[in-house]
Amino acid sequence: NAGVMQNPRHLVRRRGQEARLRCSPMKGHSHVYWYRQLPEEGLKFMVYLQKENIIDESGMPKERFSAEFPKEGPSILRIQQVVRGDSAAYFCASSPVPLAARSNEQFFGPGTRLTVL
Amino acid sequence: AQKITQTQPGMFVQEKEAVTLDCTYDTSDPSYGLFWYKQPSSGEMIFLIYQGSYDQQNATEGRYSLNFQKARKSANLVISASQLGDSAMYFCAMREGIQGAQKLVFGQGTRLTINP
Repeated sequence: NAGVMQNPRHLVRRRGQEARLRCSPMKGHSHVYWYRQLPEEGLKFMVYLQKENIIDESGMPKERFSAEFPKEGPSILRIQQVVRGDSAAYFCASSPVPLAARSNEQFFGPGTRLTVL
Repeated sequence: AQKITQTQPGMFVQEKEAVTLDCTYDTSDPSYGLFWYKQPSSGEMIFLIYQGSYDQQNATEGRYSLNFQKARKSANLVISASQLGDSAMYFCAMREGIQGAQKLVFGQGTRLTINP
């Protein structure tokens, strides 16, 4: 049973370009979460999606960032017109159906390290 | 206000000693979950242990145990018989609520170094 897959693992972009980060959740998981980790910091929540729906985007910057989780295919985090401050590790996590507080099933992918030159 | 506080930016421990990594949390929700993750230098996030707010017993997973003191709002991670491979960043995280608020809130992390 493959874990959460993210690609690419490393992405280099020049300022003003677009970055697309992909996340394939674990088999049987229909809930996806994106987090951002700036250097030497903890992870910060960005967005929570279910298939075809954004449930919570309270951590997403208001501009240039968008996320989707289509009916078929991986979840995509898209960053338009990247700036140097977007350089970070972006992690995706997945879980099965909505969790009760007693559950621990939220597993992370290996992350995509974005470098903006 | 900081919801998860890890007060130890770095810790140095001799191999085979036990180590305690501190974590305090702040929530008014009676239902929540607490997590510890390990992040080695390779960067991936490795799930270690989970404690639910209603769990009566402290969680244990192999050499990892969670010292859950609900009244003090602390959830310290204890690693017994530390090994060189335990050197990594360790993050404490909290999920609030039963439904809806599925996101995790992370602390700043503690960098643990195990010395031979």
